Amino acid sequence: DGGITQSPKYLFRKEGQNVTLSCEQNLNHDAMYWYRQDPGQGLRLIYYSQIVNDFQKGDIAEGYSVSREKKESFPLTVTSAQKNPTAFYLCASRGWGNVGDTQYFGPGTRLTVL
Amino acid sequence: AQKITQTQPGMFVQEKEAVTLDCTYDTSDPSYGLFWYKQPSSGEMIFLIYQGSYDQQNATEGRYSLNFQKARKSANLVISASQLGDSAMYFCAMREIQGAQKLVFGQGTRLTINP
Repeated sequence: DGGITQSPKYLFRKEGQNVTLSCEQNLNHDAMYWYRQDPGQGLRLIYYSQIVNDFQKGDIAEGYSVSREKKESFPLTVTSAQKNPTAFYLCASRGWGNVGDTQYFGPGTRLTVL
Repeated sequence: AQKITQTQPGMFVQEKEAVTLDCTYDTSDPSYGLFWYKQPSSGEMIFLIYQGSYDQQNATEGRYSLNFQKARKSANLVISASQLGDSAMYFCAMREIQGAQKLVFGQGTRLTINP
């Protein structure tokens, strides 16, 4: 099945630790995105990558880092510099569906800082 | 900058009734795309329907239709014959045509279908 997978589904982090969220897609999409969602809110863009070995900051990139070494993978690292990392993180990839250029989302990772 | 406004934090509808979820947008770009996503309690974002700014007809996908009024800058989602499984958060989003082509999301509307 083609799709986007994210792992883990739930992640608990102690203050001061870095953690890495995984995002993998087998849709052969070039562009991938990371969004953050806080309770009762819409999504905000953290980082995006339009091609392998290239990525750009989104609206709320501070305290986060990414890499794009393979087309299929776009991991997000939440560093200790992120002041309020507890949130729901969604990865997306963009490609042509039956209604044109569309973003498709993974199931998300819920990060909680203890 | 692009902006999406969803003015209904919550909606309660009786099963089998039709429901309209409001979305207004603001952009200076002549070309843009409008999306609706459903987010059930599991958290994943499910793509429902898309409307291009130059599309002549309103988009439809099964029970979902998009009431696109370009002059009023509104893109309301209409769900016909609502079902209990329609209970979820619904987000309206606009896609940039240039640059990142990111999605800009509204705050969402929580729809509850009552039996």
